[in-house]
Order: sequence, then structure tokens, then C-alpha cells
Amino acid sequence: EADIYQTPRYLVIGTGKKITLECSQTMGHDKMYWYQQDPGMELHLIHYSYGVNSTEKGDLSSESTVSRIRTEHFPLTLESARPSHTSQYLCASTQGADRGYQETQYFGPGTRLLVL
Amino acid sequence: RKEVEQDPGPFNVPEGATVAFNCTYSNSASQSFFWYRQDCRKEPKLLMSVYSSGNEDGRFTAQLNRASQYISLLIRDSKLSDSATYLCVVNIGNFNKFYFGSGTKLNVKP
Repeated sequence: EADIYQTPRYLVIGTGKKITLECSQTMGHDKMYWYQQDPGMELHLIHYSYGVNSTEKGDLSSESTVSRIRTEHFPLTLESARPSHTSQYLCASTQGADRGYQETQYFGPGTRLLVL
Repeated sequence: RKEVEQDPGPFNVPEGATVAFNCTYSNSASQSFFWYRQDCRKEPKLLMSVYSSGNEDGRFTAQLNRASQYISLLIRDSKLSDSATYLCVVNIGNFNKFYFGSGTKLNVKP
């Protein structure tokens, strides 16, 4: 089992509010990721990080921003939430490819965001 | 063209049946392959990695065909608890990004 945590699990907020979704992992993984997933739809990568002070945009354009000041922490921020941001946000981290094992990705439980 | 393509299903099978899913990937440089399981409104969970020689974990067997660029998952003796969406995942190693298929939905009926 992976130790990766996300808070809050559910968030209902009004348009225009600033929000930060928290993601933490206690496994010392260097690589971390944020995905967005709408119900019944596929996952879309919106941000990833190779390590401290590294952040990259993913394949799906997002108005959110991320930071990676500590290895274990990869928060996602929306400066001004809009109804179009309503979705599930999943954080993941990657166990490195060592000792012959493939690099595998572990997910947090997700944050369900509803913007009114 | 999508990096990973899957038949969305749903596959409706009775308990005890054997069911197989296929998945194709477009990038021949893909290095790592996985099957994940995702229950409704939950996060994806790793089911199994897929190795070049094929591998088995209990009732689940995964195969990789690099020449044809497809991955398969076989589930034997289906259980009600196998009902979920199965995601095919490919890692193009140099970029450290994982590409997810849209998933195949499985419904196992009593």
C-alpha cells in the first residue's frame, strides 16, 4: 500500500475563491503528479514534478499552479475557482525503477471539487 | 491519435466466466506497462505490471505484444467483486509520464 494523502477529500466553494488542494506522500518518492478526472471519463495529466523545485505542465491545459518546495508535498492552487473547475483531482507519486522493478505510480484518494 | 486506446465496454459477464481485455498503444518507445483497477468514484489502484514474458497473479494474466503494440488482461473465474473499470497504462520512460487509457468497464453478474 502507498502512503499518499490528499486533503480535503470534498470541497464545495463559491466562484472566485482561491483554493489549495494538498497532497503529501511519506515514501520519499521524487516524482509526483496531478491528474484531473471527470465522472466516467479518462484521467488527464495537468502537472508533474521530477523533484524539489521542479514543476512541469501536463498534457491538459489547466489554470491551476503547483509548487514543490519539499519532497513530500505537492500542493495545487486555483487562484480564482470557476464552475468549469468542478472535477476530481487525483495526486500520484512514483516509486523509482530500481532493483529491476518497473516504475509504478500510486494514487491518493482524490479531492472532489464542486465550484458553485 | 491517443497514446493508449481501450474498448470502453461495458463487458457484462456471469460469475465464473473468463473475460479478456485488450489495449493498444501508439508509441513504440513505450517501456513500462500496467493494468490498474478503478472502482466508481475511487482512485485507480495498481492491479499488476505487465512484463515482456507475460505474467500471472492468481486469476489475472497479463500479456504484452511489442510487435503489435498491444497489452491484454485475462480474468478467469470472474467474481462479483471484479466489477470495476480496468485502465491500461503505458509509461514512455524517458519522459516519466504515464498515459492512461479511458478504461474498460466490467460488470460481473450473479
